[in-house]
Amino acid sequence: GAGVSQSPSNKVTEKGKDVELRCDPISGHTALYWYRQSLGQGLEFLIYFQGNSAPDKSGLPSDRFSAERTGGSVSTLTIQRTQQEDSAVYLCASSLGWGREQFFGPGTRLTVL
Amino acid sequence: TQLLEQSPQFLSIQEGENLTVYCNSSSVFSSLQWYRQEPGEGPVLLVTVVTGGEVKKLKRLTFQFGDARKDSSLHITAAQPGDTGLYLCAGAAGTDKLIFGTGTRLQVFP
Repeated sequence: GAGVSQSPSNKVTEKGKDVELRCDPISGHTALYWYRQSLGQGLEFLIYFQGNSAPDKSGLPSDRFSAERTGGSVSTLTIQRTQQEDSAVYLCASSLGWGREQFFGPGTRLTVL
Repeated sequence: TQLLEQSPQFLSIQEGENLTVYCNSSSVFSSLQWYRQEPGEGPVLLVTVVTGGEVKKLKRLTFQFGDARKDSSLHITAAQPGDTGLYLCAGAAGTDKLIFGTGTRLQVFP
């Protein structure tokens, strides 16, 4: 389909391991957002990309979290040395530009044992 | 810190009943959005309100933005099982990022 896709859909990892989450935005969308959602609650903003640049990284919880975007398209969110409190659903969204309607992917459910 | 509190947190009702979900903040927002999220999926935008006092209707759903642009409500008339889901409000303050509410989980029983 032409929507936002994320992979993997589910990821179970052991505490201390690194994980990489992938987001494929809608073609032509220049803005890309990462959010974290804990246990069916509201969304917590993590980071935003405009093109390949990240003007707002203010939501990243710690220096274990990083994200990059290449070619103005695919983005990866990396969590190093995962902790149990990192367990959540990580959602990606894209839009035609900052402030425009955001279209969300289905999310990656991360479980840290 | 901008916070958006939603109430109630959980709501279980019978098909045909009416309900109202509230979204409140002490901060002023330039616009406010309502989303619905179903299990295993991302949120889907329902509506955006931008003017204080604005009322928008989407079939059986009525959205209102408070006069002071600090609060909003979502009213559903004659709820149906298909309305079941997590309802999220989200506010934007100027060019700042979206702040999402705490969510209201609605269950409509046939």
